[in-house]
Amino acid sequence: EVQLVETGGGLVQPGGSLRLSCAASGFTVSSDYMNWVRQAPGKGLEWVSLIYSGGNTYYASSVKGRFTISRDDSKNTLYLQMTSLRADDTAVYYCQGGGSLWGQGTLVTVSS
Amino acid sequence: DIQMTQSPSSLSASVGDRVTITCQASQDISNYLNWYQQKPGKVPKLLIYDASKLQTGVPSRFSGSGSGTDFTFTISSLQPEDIATYYCQQYDNLPWTFGQGTKVEIK
Repeated sequence: EVQLVETGGGLVQPGGSLRLSCAASGFTVSSDYMNWVRQAPGKGLEWVSLIYSGGNTYYASSVKGRFTISRDDSKNTLYLQMTSLRADDTAVYYCQGGGSLWGQGTLVTVSS
Repeated sequence: DIQMTQSPSSLSASVGDRVTITCQASQDISNYLNWYQQKPGKVPKLLIYDASKLQTGVPSRFSGSGSGTDFTFTISSLQPEDIATYYCQQYDNLPWTFGQGTKVEIK
């Protein structure tokens, strides 16, 4: 079965860090572009970050300098390292592969 | 950044009605547009890519059209299972951007 499974969400204090993982099965994360997309509670979808198959990375202005997207091809896993977290980073974070494949999402809550 | 403006923000229609949602880009994005469906509490699902191409397995009552800055998403005959929020997304220029969403309800 082709699927993406995110882990790593949770409650973190403002200014803290968290690393999200997205493990792929039946799909090779290095074969296509991979995105992180987030959705704040009750809000719309927001694109966060992209890594192309060649390794180039891109970020939304709201997270640039604080978040880092990467992948481990040997583990077939995508990551999002998040630092200097703020309350407005609170959201469900989805990994997305090639436009049509989405994980189930992992909730990140930034609160004291 | 390219702004994507969807309208309406919500609509209520009867089963069997034709439903149309529009999405306007703040600059030319050619046909680099996706349409997603998100049912309550669920993961977004890709319905249409490249503005008008139907994703595999998606019912043919869903369609998309347009290019440049103006795009249309249509449900030809609304079904109860189509209750959801629909989003357009441009992928012509980074940062990729979504419209604010259109919530579709049954009247």
